[in-house]
Amino acid sequence: DGGITQSPKYLFRKEGQNVTLSCEQNLNHDAMYWYRQDPGQGLRLIYYSQIVNDFQKGDIAEGYSVSREKKESFPLTVTSAQKNPTAFYLCASSIALTRRHTEAFFGQGTRLTVV
Amino acid sequence: DAKTTQPPSMDCAEGRAANLPCNHSTISGNEYVYWYRQIHSQGPQYIIHGLKNNETNEMASLIITEDRKSSTLILPHATLRDTAVYYCIVRGDGTASKLTFGTGTRLQVTL
Repeated sequence: DGGITQSPKYLFRKEGQNVTLSCEQNLNHDAMYWYRQDPGQGLRLIYYSQIVNDFQKGDIAEGYSVSREKKESFPLTVTSAQKNPTAFYLCASSIALTRRHTEAFFGQGTRLTVV
Repeated sequence: DAKTTQPPSMDCAEGRAANLPCNHSTISGNEYVYWYRQIHSQGPQYIIHGLKNNETNEMASLIITEDRKSSTLILPHATLRDTAVYYCIVRGDGTASKLTFGTGTRLQVTL
């Protein structure tokens, strides 16, 4: 079945450690995105990528880094510079960023807790 | 992208129609209205989108006013499984799926 997979579902880390969240899609989508969601809030865009080896900062990129070495994969690293890393992280993909009428498909999310 | 305004919460009895409003008074001519929903602790799910004509699919109907400044998502026969947060998003050409989410409307469907 085609889809977008995030792993792990729950992740715990100690403060000051970097942590990488995985996002894989087998939908052959060009565009991929990372969002952050805090309790009772909407989704905020962290980074997005239109094509392999290219990515752009979203609205809240500080303290995060990404890579897009393969079309299928868009891992997100939460660095120690991110002041409030505890949140629900969602990855999404769509056919192409510049194409009209393209819906985004979301993964099931990773809930990161930093203690 | 135009900003949207939605009520924070709504209730609906199971089996009745749920009508979720959205204001987007600053929408421009090339911007589309999209609706997503998010069931608790899951990723958002696409529902429907439209430009100026009313749209219907297997999940819902979208009614856009003639001046395009507001829209209503209609779930014709709400079930308990429709309990979720519903997001109304306005997106223009060129920004494609760079979706900007607000806080949405929390719909509670009750028996």
